[in-house]
Amino acid sequence: SQQGEEDPQALSIQEGENATMNCSYKTSINNLQWYRQNSGRGLVHLILIRSNEREKHSGRLRVTLDTSKKSSSLLITASRAADTASYFCATNTGNQFYFGTGTSLTVIP
Amino acid sequence: DAGITQSPRYKITETGRQVTLMCHQTWSHSYMFWYRQDLGHGLRLIYYSAAADITDKGEVPDGYVVSRSKTENFPLTLESATRSQTSVYFCASGYLNTEAFFGQGTRLTVV
Repeated sequence: SQQGEEDPQALSIQEGENATMNCSYKTSINNLQWYRQNSGRGLVHLILIRSNEREKHSGRLRVTLDTSKKSSSLLITASRAADTASYFCATNTGNQFYFGTGTSLTVIP
Repeated sequence: DAGITQSPRYKITETGRQVTLMCHQTWSHSYMFWYRQDLGHGLRLIYYSAAADITDKGEVPDGYVVSRSKTENFPLTLESATRSQTSVYFCASGYLNTEAFFGQGTRLTVV
């Protein structure tokens, strides 16, 4: 079974609004990563947060990690139409990456 | 050009045939991975490799074979393709505990 599960499965917002998506996982991790996938393309790495970190920022992205609850959230602030994509969390347990089923984000101009 | 390249991008094959998907990376990353992506399942790990000549099973290895004789190449072979192996296949590479870099994917249809 997969490590990560994203919630919600789909999200539709207006341009300029914030988008929040959540990820839950099952076992201990070394780090957790978020990736974006545009339709028909490969995945692109967005941000990595290590197991001893609680929050990390990168531009308009903010990631939190709660290892006690085995959960993470990705916040995209001031969304743009170009942010329309699928977002996946990936848990890194040393040798392996496990991905969730993803959140499909649609940003309406 | 530096990067990770998958070939072919699209492939149609018949049930029972052997097919090999190629993956080549130019960064000398130690780790390489093969995933399949299906609607409703996200990405599932098929096989991974920590270095040349070291490979290990992921979540869904049945029906697949991998090899890694050189650091830069990690081919995935379907020994006898089945319709259930129709999917989009992604190769990725990286170093331990860091980000992974993905290829553009191979869309495989088994008829």
